Amino acid sequence: SQELEQSPQSLIVQEGKNLTINCTSSKTLYGLYWYKQKYGEGLIFLMMLQKGGEEKSHEKITAKLDEKKQQSSLHITASQPSHAGIYLCGAGPYGNKLVFGAGTILRVKS
Amino acid sequence: DTGVSQNPRHKITKRGQNVTFRCDPISEHNRLYWYRQTLGQGPEFLTYFQNEAQLEKSRLLSDRFSAERPKGSFSTLEIQRTEQGDSAMYLCASSLGRRGSYEQYFGPGTRLTVT
Repeated sequence: SQELEQSPQSLIVQEGKNLTINCTSSKTLYGLYWYKQKYGEGLIFLMMLQKGGEEKSHEKITAKLDEKKQQSSLHITASQPSHAGIYLCGAGPYGNKLVFGAGTILRVKS
Repeated sequence: DTGVSQNPRHKITKRGQNVTFRCDPISEHNRLYWYRQTLGQGPEFLTYFQNEAQLEKSRLLSDRFSAERPKGSFSTLEIQRTEQGDSAMYLCASSLGRRGSYEQYFGPGTRLTVT
């Protein structure tokens, strides 16, 4: 079965700094999803990547899927307190169930 | 377009009691998913529906768990004879389930505490 490993488990950054979160899969990724979660709440969809080498951006968040489709990264530029939360990567093909990583806890110090 | 809604948001029950959760997906979304999340972990898949058909169930879903989606609209998840290990956040998600529209949108979750 597919397993996703996220790194780091947690990080604290100063407001305005850039940061990167990684998601590595044990198998080829067919559909990689990034979500954000506030503690005790549901998941907010950020982006979906499907093709090797694909890159998508939304506001100050950029997600990439490597050419071999086994690793994805989420990059936040000029972090703000509103970026704080838990970032989760999930994988699953074509609308089927998603397997999730354990999440990365992000704290932004102002 | 309202998002996915779940009720109740919180449920405290005593061990051995039955509980039922409800999920209302985004309208016109064909697929509906149930996940369970415990503290410090990512969500774990429980089951999902394509319209009213239950297409897959996880091995996590013991005989005490049952899910339905009558008429392909809202869904219910019932847990019978609850155990303390059932304490978790139960998340529902929905998607269009068509090519190019596979993103799953999640509801706020139902937090279950079994005492």
